[in-house]
Amino acid sequence: EAGVAQSPRYKIIEKRQSVAFWCNPISGHATLYWYQQILGQGPKLLIQFQNNGVVDDSQLPKDRFSAERLKGVDSTLKIQPAKLEDSAVYLCASGEQGLGNTIYFGEGSWLTVV
Amino acid sequence: GDSVTQMEGPVTLSEEAFLTINCTYTATGYPSLFWYVQYPGEGLQLLLKATKADDKGSNKGFEATYRKETTSFHLEKGSVQVSDSAVYFCALLKAGNNRKLIWGLGTSLAVNP
Repeated sequence: EAGVAQSPRYKIIEKRQSVAFWCNPISGHATLYWYQQILGQGPKLLIQFQNNGVVDDSQLPKDRFSAERLKGVDSTLKIQPAKLEDSAVYLCASGEQGLGNTIYFGEGSWLTVV
Repeated sequence: GDSVTQMEGPVTLSEEAFLTINCTYTATGYPSLFWYVQYPGEGLQLLLKATKADDKGSNKGFEATYRKETTSFHLEKGSVQVSDSAVYFCALLKAGNNRKLIWGLGTSLAVNP
C-alpha cells in the first residue's frame, strides 16, 4: 500500500516569498491533516480536513497560511508571505474513519526561510 | 483538557541496555494510544499502538501496554541498538467526531556503541 506522498521534500526561500506544499494521502483516507514541526519540538496541528471540508483550522495563521483539499483527495498548503519563523517541517498525515484507526504521516516537506 | 506527558530527554544509553520511556495521559472517554518514532531527518513513523485497556502494542522489539488504572503507556525495549537513536513521541487519539492526535513533547534517545 502506498504511503502518504509529499512534495517538495526540501525548499529554501527568502522571507516574504511564497511557497506551496502538496500532499497525496493514502487512498480512501477521508481525514487529512497538516502539521508544522519546528526543530526540537513536537508536531503542531495546522489544519484538519474531513473529505473536502475543514474540521479544525484554529491554529492556522490565516493571514499568511492557506490550505485546500479540492475533491477530497490531494491537498495543498501555501505560505505567503513567508517569515523566518516559518522554517520547519510540514507534515501531512491521513487516516480512516474509526477511533482505533491509525494516522499515517508522510516524510515531510522541510522548509528553510532565509 | 486531554494531555500527554512524557519523560524528558535526552536519554543516553549504551548498546544492549534496557530502555523505558514513560508516558502518562489525561483523557475523557477511551482514547487510543500510540508511539511514533522520528529518525534524524525523517518524518514520523508509527511504532506501535493500543486501542483499549490492557492491550499490548509491539513492534521491532518495542512494547507498550495500555494501563487504564495508572493512565500510562510506557515504552520499553529489552536491548537497544545504535539504530534506535531517534525521537519518540507518545500520543493519544481523541475520541469523538473530531479525530485529533494529542502529542507528548517527545523524548530524544541516543544509543552509543
